[in-house]
Amino acid sequence: AQKITQTQPGMFVQEKEAVTLDCTYDTSDQSYGLFWYKQPSSGEMIFLIYQGSYDEQNATEGRYSLNFQKARKSANLVISASQLGDSAMYFCAMREGDGNNRKLIWGLGTSLAVNP
Amino acid sequence: DADVTQTPRNRITKTGKRIMLECSQTKGHDRMYWYRQDPGLGLRLIYYSFDVKDINKGEISDGYSVSRQAQAKFSLSLESAIPNQTALYFCATSDPIFYEQYFGPGTRLTVT
Repeated sequence: AQKITQTQPGMFVQEKEAVTLDCTYDTSDQSYGLFWYKQPSSGEMIFLIYQGSYDEQNATEGRYSLNFQKARKSANLVISASQLGDSAMYFCAMREGDGNNRKLIWGLGTSLAVNP
Repeated sequence: DADVTQTPRNRITKTGKRIMLECSQTKGHDRMYWYRQDPGLGLRLIYYSFDVKDINKGEISDGYSVSRQAQAKFSLSLESAIPNQTALYFCATSDPIFYEQYFGPGTRLTVT
């Protein structure tokens, strides 16, 4: 079973509007972390935002925020005021395990297109 | 200068050839990774290394080998390239606490 599920293969949003990209996860660990990365068409992987499982506040980084709902095991990325440059693939990832057993598990990504 | 660099950035090679992809980092991280990315399959871990003496197989290590020459250098080799190894390859490092991964720019490999 997928440990990280991104249910939206593709999304469209109008420029200047907000968009939410979904991510649900499955882990039995108490301590874990959730990441979002952006991959534009040029190919590089860009770190956007991180949420620790014990963090009480939702993480925010500029126009990016992470809507963390622990009971629902969801970690949705919210992009406010979309820009054309936000068009990219977005990957959710989860860190689980501890010590040398730590690993990062990746979702399959969501393709976001921002329309002018 | 980039924290994680990869060479070459693009490579076309023929079936059966040996090829090496190189990765260097200036982050000072002990942990380094090689991933491949195929359309629709996300990122898949090939090998990872926690330090120079500790190398581990990932989920798709068959057909690949690695060498950790120093803390800063981690190379991936395809001993005998085959067309289904055509992919985008990423090297990454991770910080020891949060495990945030820092990626190189990627190498686009085409095996004909």
